[in-house]
Amino acid sequence: QKEVEQDPGPLSVPEGAIVSLNCTYSNSAFQYFMWYRQYSRKGPELLMYTYSSGNKEDGRFTAQVDKSSKYISLFIRDSQPSDSATYLCAMSAMLTGGGNKLTFGTGTQLKVEL
Amino acid sequence: GAGVSQTPSNKVTEKGKYVELRCDPISGHTALYWYRQSLGQGPEFLIYFQGTGAADDSGLPNDRFFAVRPEGSVSTLKIQRTERGDSAVYLCASSLGGREADTQYFGPGTRLTVL
Repeated sequence: QKEVEQDPGPLSVPEGAIVSLNCTYSNSAFQYFMWYRQYSRKGPELLMYTYSSGNKEDGRFTAQVDKSSKYISLFIRDSQPSDSATYLCAMSAMLTGGGNKLTFGTGTQLKVEL
Repeated sequence: GAGVSQTPSNKVTEKGKYVELRCDPISGHTALYWYRQSLGQGPEFLIYFQGTGAADDSGLPNDRFFAVRPEGSVSTLKIQRTERGDSAVYLCASSLGGREADTQYFGPGTRLTVL
């Protein structure tokens, strides 16, 4: 079983829809939770970064963390065609030599259609 | 400002050959990471540098893989005797380092194809 589980999709929604993306995890050592967006043939780009359980909002994006259930979500409101990308959840744990190792989900491929 | 850059963007090689992949981190970032992303998967951790030293190389798959960062800035990932299973996108990320909550910024990656 993987430490981080994420439905790979693909997920197709009409423009303006609310999108819900989710990940579950099994490692209690994860301390920080992130969502990255990755366009085709590009590197991952950080969207949201959260630490504690609860909600964090940034524009059209809301990240939700439930540590008791080991479940995180990303909501995208008023989705746009430019949101079409792969969304990766990532979780951070300290390395023995310092630094933070990110463990990623497989990514969910999202397409927002006109 | 300039982000993380990686060269080459694409590398095609034959099985058994040696390759080097280069990463230029964001100026001032002391922490540098290498990840590998196979098709349809999320990136997987390979190695972490703090300054010049490899602080954690627990993600390197075997001893054919090696990475250096001699002056604490540019890093090179080296793969000996390449195998077809090494084909993937190799991503580099850098961060300020020294903090528990530290954002990693990724480069565009090098797409390695081993024929």
